[in-house]
This record gives sequence, C-alpha cells and structure tokens, in this order.
Amino acid sequence: EPEVTQTPSHQVTQMGQEVILRCVPISNHLYFYWYRQILGQKVEFLVSFYNNEISEKSEIFDDQFSVERPDGSNFTLKIRSTKLEDSAMYFCASSAGTGLYEQYFGPGTRLTVT
Amino acid sequence: GQNIDQPTEMTATEGAIVQINCTYQTSGFNGLFWYQQHAGEAPTFLSYNVLDGLEEKGRFSSFLSRSKGYSYLLLKELQMKDSASYLCALFNQAGTALIFGKGTTLSVSS
Repeated sequence: EPEVTQTPSHQVTQMGQEVILRCVPISNHLYFYWYRQILGQKVEFLVSFYNNEISEKSEIFDDQFSVERPDGSNFTLKIRSTKLEDSAMYFCASSAGTGLYEQYFGPGTRLTVT
Repeated sequence: GQNIDQPTEMTATEGAIVQINCTYQTSGFNGLFWYQQHAGEAPTFLSYNVLDGLEEKGRFSSFLSRSKGYSYLLLKELQMKDSASYLCALFNQAGTALIFGKGTTLSVSS
C-alpha cells in the first residue's frame, strides 16, 4: 500500500538554526499538507499546498516557515530560525483531492530545539 | 471559526462497546472525520461523515447530526490494540485543512 514517508525521524537542532524537514507524498496525490503536534497537545494545521503554491496557511505558519516542492517527489518544510517552542512532531500528509478525500499522514519527524 | 469538544479520557473493557462523543461549532460544515492515533505515531483515518446518519465500517461506526453539531464514534468488540487517542476533526470552510479536536484517549483493559 502506498504511504507517505518522512525524513529524518528525529532532528535535534540548536535554537536559531535552520532546519528542513522532508516528505515524500504518495505519488499520485496532488495536495500536500504539514501539521504539527506539540507533545501532549492536539494536532494543528500549518499549511496546505497545491499546484506549486500555498493554498492555505494557519496563524502558526509565519515568516519563519516556508514550504517547497523542489522536484516531482519531495515536499519540504523549512524553519529558518528555530525557537524552543518549535519543538514538536511534524506530520506531512497528502491527498488525491480536497474536500472529502482522505488525508494520509506520514510517520512524522520529531523536532527537538535545544 | 471552529471549535471541537471531546472527552479527554475514557476507559473500557475488552469485548465491550464504547461511544466517543464529539460536539462542534463551525461557521461552514464541510465534513467530519475520525482519526485514530497511537502514542508516538501518526493519525490514521477511520471514517468521515458529511450527511446525517450512521456510517458503518466493520467494528467502527460514526454518526453525525449536523443540526445538533454532534458526532460519535462507536467501537464494538473492543480489543487491547484499540487503546489509542481518537481524534474528531472538521474540514475548514475551504476544505483544505483538517481542524482537530484535542482527542479522547481510550484505555482498554482485560
């Protein structure tokens, strides 16, 4: 069964450093998403991406965040200058369409900012 | 805006039936989803409802009443592996983002 993959599984970085989280969505999917989950809290939407541009972003997704689809398979989330409060599990998801299409989640990258 | 409420925790016994409730407020309804999340893992899709009524999928069923802003997930013949968090989620108005509740942690004991 096709699945979303994410690398790395765990990333430790120092405050102020840039990090890039990588995702490979399911190959025939057209819509891509990033969510995050701070430990013990709910899953929060960050951004959705379609046709090489951002469809929607949440208040969390400020100027420190950016997304890119650098080639036909990867989808990345960049945090320019990490803060302690960016420590969380970051999930990538993809779907074949919007609306009632299921979003498939990757296993997540645990980001720890020290 | 959107708001979702779920009980924080529930406990049940193996073989039993449990109902996890979700109430919500939204300015534009585009569908309600249920996801399962085991500790340290990604959410996995269980079911969705867009029309009122019951949707059945094996041991799992989900019910929706749009007029009451209410849904529930029914789990039958509980197994130990059903111990997980169950997340109620709404689509935003544009249908481009899932807005999750805080989740209900279900503990199944033998």
